[in-house]
Amino acid sequence: DIHLTQSPPTLSAFVGDRVTITCRASQTINTWLAWYQQKPGRAPKLLIYKASRLESGVPSRFSGSGSGTEFTLTISSLQPDDFATYFCQNYNTNSPLFGPGTKVDI
Amino acid sequence: QVQLVESGGGVVQPGRSLRLSCAASGFSFSNHAMAWVRQAPGKGLEWVALISYDGSDKYYADSVNGRFPISRDNSKNTLHLQMNSLRAEDTAVYYCARSDSSGWFYFDFWGQGTLVTVSS
Repeated sequence: DIHLTQSPPTLSAFVGDRVTITCRASQTINTWLAWYQQKPGRAPKLLIYKASRLESGVPSRFSGSGSGTEFTLTISSLQPDDFATYFCQNYNTNSPLFGPGTKVDI
Repeated sequence: QVQLVESGGGVVQPGRSLRLSCAASGFSFSNHAMAWVRQAPGKGLEWVALISYDGSDKYYADSVNGRFPISRDNSKNTLHLQMNSLRAEDTAVYYCARSDSSGWFYFDFWGQGTLVTVSS
């Protein structure tokens, strides 16, 4: 079974900072990885799919990269609205798997 | 616009059943695989079940396999999750989610969620 880990579990940053979150898979998953943002009390929102493709309507300050087993989500200039928890998700099987999440505190 | 509206959540005793529904609108429901994803209080996301666009293929997380059959009615644009033999650890917000139109199992639209509490 594939396992996903995310680092760091939490991070504190300032508005304007460049923020990077890492997602690691226990075995290669090519680029079958998505990233979601979830705010408290809200449903998750798709940000990135296929590791680096920006979902329509998502601000360009969000970007994704990586392939194989290591992936990153980068926020180029953190905004107050970006306070949230971020989850990665693998989807190369019929059993989609989410990472444990990274909470970003502003 | 795309809308997914869940219903059917509530408080239920262990061992009992509950049926969740998700009403879809604003898109061609029969063209998309659909899923249920849950989130226990203060925890992360856990995929529960998936159903193909036409209902012919169904997939389940080990934690619910054999207890939570997923179904859909494309004539009524509705997704269902029949939750049987409920356990305390099934307590969570249950989200209905739309799979991408390409057929890959990432989720581009989510409902607002419905809370299921399993407690005696």
